Amino acid sequence: EAGVAQSPRYKIIEKRQSVAFWCNPISGHATLYWYQQILGQGPKLLIQFQNNGVVDDSQLPKDRFSAERLKGVDSTLKIQPAKLEDSAVYLCASSVGSGNTIYFGEGSWLTVV
Amino acid sequence: DAKTTQPPSMDCAEGRAANLPCNHSTISGNEYVYWYRQIHSQGPQYIIHGLKNNETNEMASLIITEDRKSSTLILPHATLRDTAVYYCIVISGWAGSYQLTFGKGTKLSVIP
Repeated sequence: EAGVAQSPRYKIIEKRQSVAFWCNPISGHATLYWYQQILGQGPKLLIQFQNNGVVDDSQLPKDRFSAERLKGVDSTLKIQPAKLEDSAVYLCASSVGSGNTIYFGEGSWLTVV
Repeated sequence: DAKTTQPPSMDCAEGRAANLPCNHSTISGNEYVYWYRQIHSQGPQYIIHGLKNNETNEMASLIITEDRKSSTLILPHATLRDTAVYYCIVISGWAGSYQLTFGKGTKLSVIP
């Protein structure tokens, strides 16, 4: 079974530029999550989708971060404009439904210079 | 969700059993104990979870105390590839808010 796919794997941008990350969850998984992991810390939830609806985005910095899951499958996370403190690994995860085991992708590493 | 407490680091000799403790004294009746691990430069990997009974799968065993206030993850024969940060997470069984809240975890070092 294919896992959660993410791209790009690595990205370096200058501050104030924009960046977008893409996630393809495990086939059939209705719930999708985006996490941010700063070096040395555990992952922190940014947003949770159920199909194409947002369940929880309370920790998403909405002034610069946005995420969408238009057709209830793939998702994109965008940062615009980026700040130095956005340097982190952005992890996508999915589960069959809310209440089932959550599986993670390998992450997208962002460095803002 | 209940808070968990884990030692920041542990060492284990290769081939021996690694026993990783987790304290979750405020756990409530419908909360599950989940264990994930994160090997350097990779995403978190699901290991095992349980509610009340002990659980075993091909990766590990999970021992939950009778009062459910603590648990132990057991890797029966640790290898160098088991070196990782191990996270113990307690989450509510309420489907509407099923989210993983990560702490700092335990950094396990398997030593040759």
